[in-house]
Amino acid sequence: DTEVTQTPKHLVMGMTNKKSLKCEQHMGHRAMYWYKQKAKKPPELMFVYSYEKLSINESVPSRFSPECPNSSLLNLHLHALQPEDSALYLCASSRQEGGTGELFFGEGSRLTVL
Amino acid sequence: GQQLNQSPQSMFIQEGEDVSMNCTSSSIFNTWLWYKQDPGEGPVLLIALYKAGELTSNGRLTAQFGITRKDSFLNISASIPSDVGIYFCAGLASGNTPLVFGKGTRLSVIA
Repeated sequence: DTEVTQTPKHLVMGMTNKKSLKCEQHMGHRAMYWYKQKAKKPPELMFVYSYEKLSINESVPSRFSPECPNSSLLNLHLHALQPEDSALYLCASSRQEGGTGELFFGEGSRLTVL
Repeated sequence: GQQLNQSPQSMFIQEGEDVSMNCTSSSIFNTWLWYKQDPGEGPVLLIALYKAGELTSNGRLTAQFGITRKDSFLNISASIPSDVGIYFCAGLASGNTPLVFGKGTRLSVIA
């Protein structure tokens, strides 16, 4: 069982919708990450939060808006997405940013944009 | 940016065979990691390597951190059907840089 929980597991949305992906971990980790993964590709880093502050934004379009309400929660707010944004969105956590590179991933939220 | 060259891209093997895959880079990494991703799941860490030359085992899996710090390999012995999945190598240059992933090796096991 994964210790990083992501909801929803599947999401279908139109290009004018606003939706959110949620991620939760209770391992006491201080860094949390959002990755985007297209089919047959490796995960691509989007955002890193360290101690609840945004540490890295890999030039992600503003239609993706991350939020870290507390050390256990990470949200990704979605607005005015494009069909090419359809992908598996993975949340991960680690004891601290960078560190040993040991990431704990959730099962992912599969997003389809129509 | 830093890139990892992972090979082979895909493998089809018979159950019981041994498997070997590797990852190379033109840059030095201080940590090498191997993750496995099952269909519909997130990647799971298999092995982490922290020292050049280090050889580490996890059950039927063995991984090595190359002496030049620019490569790593993963061996799976006596493969079984549940070994099916995508294996990603990953490298960490320093604690201040993001993890870099290889493109993955897709393993299929024929019973």
